Amino acid sequence: EVQLVESGGGLVQPGGSLRLSCAASGFTFSSYWMYWVRQAPGKGPVWVSRIYNDGSIANYADSLKGRFTISRDNAKNTLYLQMNSLRAEDTAVYYCARGYCTNGICSVFDYWGQGTLVTVSS
Amino acid sequence: EIVMTQSPATLSVSPGERATLSCRASQSVSSNLAWYQQKSGQAPRLLIYGASTRATGIPARFSGSGSGIEFTLTISSLQSEDFAVYYCQQYNNWPPGENTFGQGTKLEI
Repeated sequence: EVQLVESGGGLVQPGGSLRLSCAASGFTFSSYWMYWVRQAPGKGPVWVSRIYNDGSIANYADSLKGRFTISRDNAKNTLYLQMNSLRAEDTAVYYCARGYCTNGICSVFDYWGQGTLVTVSS
Repeated sequence: EIVMTQSPATLSVSPGERATLSCRASQSVSSNLAWYQQKSGQAPRLLIYGASTRATGIPARFSGSGSGIEFTLTISSLQSEDFAVYYCQQYNNWPPGENTFGQGTKLEI
């Protein structure tokens, strides 16, 4: 059974940092692109970042402007998101999701974790 | 940047009836369109990809159609567990710059 379990969320002050983790199991982690998607309270999901299966390429939503860094450890089956210079508007549930490949595109999110809440507030 | 627009924002339907949800892209995404269902307090769940292919375990009452810029998700006979928020997502243009999801349609009783 595919499982994705996020951790590391919590309350942080504006300007602070957090590191999220996503532990994967039930599939060959090193074969899949992985994603972070966030959802602010009462809003729709928003793509944050993705990383290729071998970690060679990473992409980010334009609005993040270099504040976030995605990484992965295929030996530990774990995905990470380092978040720096956090702002109130970063408050959201952060989900990790697996990228399913179809027609040569690996950007369908076929499995999601349960999410971890990040609250940025003083 | 491709903008995804869903309509209506809220759809009120009775159990057993048919629901039709729409999604429009600001430019062609071919058939690279997915639909997700999200219930309160849960993560989104993949329903449809490739505009019309049901994901594993998704009941046949869910169907998708369309290509290019206009897409439809149809739920043929609503069950109580289908009342949720539905999102479309384009994956034709990646990375998308900003958002790849529509703003959602809430399906209510």
